[in-house]
Order: sequence, then structure tokens, then C-alpha cells
Amino acid sequence: DAKTTQPTSMDCAEGRAANLPCNHSTISGNEYVYWYRQIHSQGPQYIIHGLKNNETNEMASLIITEDRKSSTLILPHATLRDTAVYYCIVTDSWGKLQFGAGTQVVVTP
Amino acid sequence: DTGVSQDPRHKITKRGQNVTFRCDPISEHNRLYWYRQTLGQGPEFLTYFQNEAQLEKSRLLSDRFSAERPKGSFSTLEIQRTEQGDSAMYLCASSLATGNTIYFGEGSWLTVV
Repeated sequence: DAKTTQPTSMDCAEGRAANLPCNHSTISGNEYVYWYRQIHSQGPQYIIHGLKNNETNEMASLIITEDRKSSTLILPHATLRDTAVYYCIVTDSWGKLQFGAGTQVVVTP
Repeated sequence: DTGVSQDPRHKITKRGQNVTFRCDPISEHNRLYWYRQTLGQGPEFLTYFQNEAQLEKSRLLSDRFSAERPKGSFSTLEIQRTEQGDSAMYLCASSLATGNTIYFGEGSWLTVV
């Protein structure tokens, strides 16, 4: 079973920020939080990952709570091309990824 | 393009036939992974290699499945005596080493008729 819980789906208006929550209450100290997304019929695309600190790159920001039991992926200005399934994954350092069902995000005009 | 490359992208085969998929990882990535994804589900781990050594196989990898990475570069995934339940997208991914980000290819779609 996946170690994370995500909402099944969410909608977001184009141009607005999309905030995707993820619960990982059983995360252990050496496990990272990874986010991937998968656009229909394509392979998963890496977005961002973190251990304890908040992280930001050109695609998104990752906010991890102090107790590390949950996190939020933020897409600052959603576009129609951000419509995808977003996966939150918790993994130890060797990198085997266990995908859950993810969150289907639909960005609407 | 320097990403993970998979071939063929689509394959339709009759039940009972053998199929082989090829994966070329990102250059110098010593870890290579195979995943399988069925419609509506997230990808499922099948196996991974560190260089030419196959270090772990999932219980999903039945005896009809075999993966190789003979020279530590490209890899092949062969499915013998295909069944309709094998219809899925087969994803290849690679990374530099443990703790490094895993990058996926575009996948190879298999349809068994």
C-alpha cells in the first residue's frame, strides 16, 4: 500500500495557484517526499522533492510541515498544460518509487 | 534528446506471442528501472538494475518476464507467451545512483489481442 494519501481530484482556474495536499503521517526520518506528474499517455515527469526544508524550482514549490506528516505542492500559476495526475511519493534514499492513485488535477480556462 | 528512450512506443501482439521492449537510459545513469502501468492505476515497480546486475525483482515479474542489461547500458524486457492481462504501458526509468532523482521514459504500450 502507498504511504501517502491524496485527494482523488481537484480543479484549478488557469492563472491561479494550485495547492495540492498530501498526507504521509507514517514517514520515517530518512524518507524523502517526491512529486511526479503524468500527463495523459506519457511517462511520469519529475517535479520536485524534499526531506525537511521547503524547496522551490522552476516548476513548483514544496512545503513540508515541521512534523513532516504532510506536504503541499504549489503550482504558482497554473496553465492548461498542467492538467495531469499528480503523485506524491515517500521513499527512502535508494529510490524505489511506490505510486498511489494520485490526484487528477484539471485546470480550466 | 538526452532523456530515457523506449522502443517500440506501441506494440499490438496476438496472445501467445513473445514481445521485447528496449530501453536506453540517460547517458551514464547506472541505475535502470522497469515499471508497469495499467489503465487508471499508478505505475508499479517490476525490477531494477545497478549497472548490469539485476538487484531486485517484484513478485509481479512472473516467470514469463525476463529483463536484461548485458553491458550496463541499454536494457531489454521480454514477455514470453503473452496474455491479455499483460496489456499495459511498460515504463523504463533511470538514475545516477541511490538517492538521486529517477527520470522516466515515455513508455511502451502493449496491447495483447
